[in-house]
Amino acid sequence: DQQVKQNSPSLSVQEGRISILNCDYTNSMFDYFLWYKKYPAEGPTFLISISSIKDKNEDGRFTVFLNKSAKHLSLHIVPSQPGDSAVYFCAASFLDSGGGADGLTFGKGTHLIIQP
Amino acid sequence: DTGVSQDPRHKITKRGQNVTFRCDPISEHNRLYWYRQTLGQGPEFLTYFQNEAQLEKSRLLSDRFSAERPKGSFSTLEIQRTEQGDSAMYLCASTVHLQGYEQYFGPGTRLTVT
Repeated sequence: DQQVKQNSPSLSVQEGRISILNCDYTNSMFDYFLWYKKYPAEGPTFLISISSIKDKNEDGRFTVFLNKSAKHLSLHIVPSQPGDSAVYFCAASFLDSGGGADGLTFGKGTHLIIQP
Repeated sequence: DTGVSQDPRHKITKRGQNVTFRCDPISEHNRLYWYRQTLGQGPEFLTYFQNEAQLEKSRLLSDRFSAERPKGSFSTLEIQRTEQGDSAMYLCASTVHLQGYEQYFGPGTRLTVT
């Protein structure tokens, strides 16, 4: 059973517009959530995270919103740039007994294509 | 500050052979994680270490999979008696315990079992 779901395999957005990537999760006990970006033949690159006790986190062009009641989070990229074309993964995790990061549970990813 | 490195980047092996992959984490990162990624899926967590202690290994896919981090620096992931279903990208990530929760990934080792 997939605990983290990204239901859109791909998304096409015009350069300069807003990109909104969505993610749903089933386990309300997750402690924090992260977004990663992945180019072909490279490992995932960390973008932004949010604790389960927050509802918004912003870093430059990237903003993550968390709606705990809906078990939904989204990543907003404004404005979208050609270099943003990549696969974006949503991930979630628990804190382990030592208070540190447990293994991440990933969604299947969304391929974002920025059109010129 | 160099990133996470993995070696080899690509490995082709015949079914039944044993393979070992190496991961060197970012310097001073005391936590190290292993993941497997198959086509069309997100990375799947396998195991992790804090220094040399393996904190979780129940998610290793079978008893053919094992991992070590003997001196708390680099780590190895071994797959014994490889099967075609083991073909995947194997990713390593590291972080500093209690200094943020993001994990930093290496480029991965792509395994092809023929």
